[in-house]
Amino acid sequence: GAGVSQSPSNKVTEKGKDVELRCDPISGHTALYWYRQSLGQGLEFLIYFQGNSAPDKSGLPSDRFSAERTGGSVSTLTIQRTQQEDSAVYLCASSLADTQYFGPGTRLTVL
Amino acid sequence: GNSVTQMEGPVTLSEEAFLTINCTYTATGYPSLFWYVQYPGEGLQLLLKATKADDKGSNKGFEATYRKETTSFHLEKGSVQVSDSAVYFCALRGMYNNNDMRFGAGTRLTVKP
Repeated sequence: GAGVSQSPSNKVTEKGKDVELRCDPISGHTALYWYRQSLGQGLEFLIYFQGNSAPDKSGLPSDRFSAERTGGSVSTLTIQRTQQEDSAVYLCASSLADTQYFGPGTRLTVL
Repeated sequence: GNSVTQMEGPVTLSEEAFLTINCTYTATGYPSLFWYVQYPGEGLQLLLKATKADDKGSNKGFEATYRKETTSFHLEKGSVQVSDSAVYFCALRGMYNNNDMRFGAGTRLTVKP
């Protein structure tokens, strides 16, 4: 079946612009996670959605970052006024139990 | 808080060599432990997992045993292949919080023919 998909696969933007990253989880998965993977670093947790509960936003690095999940399915991660340090691969994962299934990621480059 | 410490890479081995990638963790209670693998150009995928002490996870010739006494979950494979070249991530899921997932920094493995 279809896995987790993310779009775009690559995004190059100028410093100060806003970007939106999209994640389509596996159908029926109630949990959705966003992570950031910087060069040479592990995965940094950003935000977690579980069903209709309030999301866990504890990993968002600043108020420039926000995310929403519409209808319990598709999620959008928005970064406002991008900075060069935001350059990274942004990964989305979904799960039904304890195993997370990852998308291919969006590589964001801020010039 | 919970954390994972993973052997730094990169690791370069010849085909058919024995592989060990060390992983230790800090956590309260009994977390679930995972190894994820990221092949070149692909997303992370689950390699194996163990959910309680002394459990052994295995897949594709890889094994890891959940050692509570040493708080470790080392990844091993007896004979690596070129196709095993990838980045390997150790991870834990907190016992008390379903979204408390912590990943190690990743270890890049290159296997040469």
